[in-house]
Amino acid sequence: GAVVSQHPSRVICKSGTSVKIECRSLDFQATTMFWYRQFPKQSLMLMATSNEGSKATYEQGVEKDKFLINHASLTLSTLTVTSAHPEDSSFYICSAERGLAKNIQYFGAGTRLSVL
Amino acid sequence: DAKTTQPPSMDCAEGRAANLPCNHSTISGNEYVYWYRQIHSQGPQYIIHGLKNNETNEMASLIITEDRKSSTLILPHATLRDTAVYYCIVRVVIRDFGNEKLTFGTGTRLTIIP
Repeated sequence: GAVVSQHPSRVICKSGTSVKIECRSLDFQATTMFWYRQFPKQSLMLMATSNEGSKATYEQGVEKDKFLINHASLTLSTLTVTSAHPEDSSFYICSAERGLAKNIQYFGAGTRLSVL
Repeated sequence: DAKTTQPPSMDCAEGRAANLPCNHSTISGNEYVYWYRQIHSQGPQYIIHGLKNNETNEMASLIITEDRKSSTLILPHATLRDTAVYYCIVRVVIRDFGNEKLTFGTGTRLTIIP
């Protein structure tokens, strides 16, 4: 299957700092990538849809100025959590959609963010 | 509103077939049924999807009822590594125009018993 690489897998930072998470599709081009957040014992919640070369579409209740998304190429999308606070601690997961024929989302391994 | 209903948990003996049910009684004609699973602390893994015909791949089989109101994911010979949360998702697929987002419910926590 297709491979989506997410980096870093775990990050611990101080409150007030910014953290960047990278999501790469390694063996296919992805015009659309997605960012999810998952709190402990809960399901995945979509944060935003990222389209290459255009602005991301954010879900209701997600602050676009706090969660900056950049999708500058067909293989790379980044999520930057700006001025992180302890309540931003969560499991962040990206996915990339492969092609129009199969319409399958492939997911990265996730990034566990801990804000102290 | 939830589009699918799944049992919250199931157990299955190692080596036996695991049958995971999903109800999607309000599914519309252009909605596909997708199955993903999430092993603890990892990203979800695609398993299989289908529209109305039964599907099989190297991981599992998907059986969709004739009225499409329910489906069953079958893992033919469950192993301990199949312990995970399994998500059944219905989703509109619109070729050439992008697709409806994946909406994850609470899924079924499948535990494979040695």
